Amino acid sequence: DVKVTQSSRYLVKRTGEKVFLECVQDMDHENMFWYRQDPGLGLRLIYFSYDVKMKEKGDIPEGYSVSREKKERFSLILESASTNQTSMYLCAGRRGGSYEQYFGPGTRLTVT
Amino acid sequence: ELKVEQNPLFLSMQEGKNYTIYCNYSTTSDRLYWYRQDPGKSLESLFVLLSNGAVKQEGRLMASLDTKARLSTLHITAAVHDLSATYFCAAGYGGSQGNLIFGKGTKLSVKP
Repeated sequence: DVKVTQSSRYLVKRTGEKVFLECVQDMDHENMFWYRQDPGLGLRLIYFSYDVKMKEKGDIPEGYSVSREKKERFSLILESASTNQTSMYLCAGRRGGSYEQYFGPGTRLTVT
Repeated sequence: ELKVEQNPLFLSMQEGKNYTIYCNYSTTSDRLYWYRQDPGKSLESLFVLLSNGAVKQEGRLMASLDTKARLSTLHITAAVHDLSATYFCAAGYGGSQGNLIFGKGTKLSVKP
């Protein structure tokens, strides 16, 4: 079974804190993605990576950065969390040459 | 710029009835996806449609793709309560990178 895991299901942080969201996949996926999901807006792509140490901006990268030091791990970083970053964050993985994206369980982040 | 529109956004159905969810996309896309999301859960892949005229069926759900009309449909036959969920369509772009643009989702509620 394909497995994409995220480090936390729920997270509460204060405004201005640095926040790390971790995503790990066990299926040797080349491509990994971070989305945020907000009611009425669907999923929006923040960043993606198609190889180790490679990263590309998605549709809403402002306020976020990412790190991919190992193939199986893709981290989303909020340098200075703000209340408008309260959201559900979903990580996904995709094997090169395949069409399927497999999603992790999500992290619900609340910034107070 | 690729945009994806779903309608309706909310759908309340009676058990046993049929209905269709529509997904329009604005520019050429080489693949169309349907996902299901239960409350508080992640996204589960339902269908990937890769060519004009593609039709896929799983149980009471059937998805089709018309690339000329830039339209995909998700047809629900004889709905049951277990189908209550939010359904997302997504159009693919970016070639081998496999990026997706999601619709806002259709929240389906099936009542006895």
